Amino acid sequence: AQSVTQLDSHVSVSEGTPVLLRCNYSSSYSPSLFWYVQHPNKGLQLLLKYTSAATLVKGINGFEAEFKKSETSFHLTKPSAHMSDAAEYFCVVSDPYTGRRALTFGSGTRLQVQP
Amino acid sequence: NAGVTQTPKFQVLKTGQSMTLQCAQDMNHEYMSWYRQDPGMGLRLIHYSVGAGITDQGEVPNGYNVSRSTTEDFPLRLLSAAPSQTSVYFCASSYSPQGVNMNTEAFFGQGTRLTVV
Repeated sequence: AQSVTQLDSHVSVSEGTPVLLRCNYSSSYSPSLFWYVQHPNKGLQLLLKYTSAATLVKGINGFEAEFKKSETSFHLTKPSAHMSDAAEYFCVVSDPYTGRRALTFGSGTRLQVQP
Repeated sequence: NAGVTQTPKFQVLKTGQSMTLQCAQDMNHEYMSWYRQDPGMGLRLIHYSVGAGITDQGEVPNGYNVSRSTTEDFPLRLLSAAPSQTSVYFCASSYSPQGVNMNTEAFFGQGTRLTVV
């Protein structure tokens, strides 16, 4: 069975400071890992996905995530937060070999960016 | 390029009423799914379909029905609405009938905010 744990429900940073959103996963097989972002009253947008080509994955809007198999982690980072980054972020794992072929979502991390 | 379109965007129902949430995609995707989003719980899978005529249950299917008569459409029916079904509902599609993997991604609609009173 697959599962995702987002270690912080809320993160608050000041504009211009680094962002770290933490995610640990559990999967029976080699997982596919994603980060999605949801801005208030909007749908979900793909930030980045792990493709196994490289452990450091670059996404849109300056976000990156590093896949660490030994730690079963896929933390999301950004060097410098912008006000427009304020949103809810979901770490997601997909295990196509399970019966449901579905995405398993973490509970989400709400990022606040203070001016 | 519309992508995944959900209607309506907002709906208020009385307990016991029925309704259908519509989802259509124009990307010729085989895999479609419905999720519900509740505070602090992320998104949970309700039902999914790997192609026209094929549907199956997800994590939280009770109280919901689906059908897939065409590749483009995947409606979600609430048979007898209950306050516990107050939620935001998202439809998602993916090219691969195997679901979502590192070579594909899920495309989401804008969501339907449903309130049952």
